[in-house]
Amino acid sequence: GENVEQHPSTLSVQEGDSAVIKCTYSDSASNYFPWYKQELGKRPQLIIDIRSNVGEKKDQRIAVTLNKTAKHFSLHITETQPEDSAVYFCAAADPNDYKLSFGAGTTVTVRA
Amino acid sequence: KAGVTQTPRYLIKTRGQQVTLSCSPISGHRSVSWYQQTPGQGLQFLFEYFSETQRNKGNFPGRFSGRQFSNSRSEMNVSTLELGDSALYLCASSPFPSSYNEQFFGPGTRLTVL
Repeated sequence: GENVEQHPSTLSVQEGDSAVIKCTYSDSASNYFPWYKQELGKRPQLIIDIRSNVGEKKDQRIAVTLNKTAKHFSLHITETQPEDSAVYFCAAADPNDYKLSFGAGTTVTVRA
Repeated sequence: KAGVTQTPRYLIKTRGQQVTLSCSPISGHRSVSWYQQTPGQGLQFLFEYFSETQRNKGNFPGRFSGRQFSNSRSEMNVSTLELGDSALYLCASSPFPSSYNEQFFGPGTRLTVL
């Protein structure tokens, strides 16, 4: 089955700086890669996703890149703000698998 | 549309008891997935139901079971509770299988086993 590894587990950045979270996956059949953000005490919410036919996707200050050959994908947050402080989860899915496999999460703290 | 709802929100049980958690998906959503969330362990996949059929199951013992009804509502049951079952249990729904598109999470049920 799919195994997703996520690094780092914690990340502290100065407000205005960039944050990068990296994930690797094991199943070459996976073709859907979402990122979820979970604020303290709240439910996870999708912030961006990418499919294997695309190498990069941007949405304002958030971008995700995918390298299918190396089986890794990354989340980039630019110009970080205090409201970016949260736990971020990457995930990968094989469309035939009826399962979303999540990474262990990255706790991002944005220092004012 | 109303969001995903879960009941109860909080539950305290003792070891050996059993518990049933409920999840009502967004109207029209046919997929319901269940996850166990504990500190440091992220979101551990329990199972996914699609059109009343369990499509996949995670690496959890047989004490964990579930079902989905014709209206897509889902229940999860844990029998013979252990201390290690204390966790936040999240369900998520989507119109299609979870491996295809965005999942919408419920607020979770916080289970404490004493």
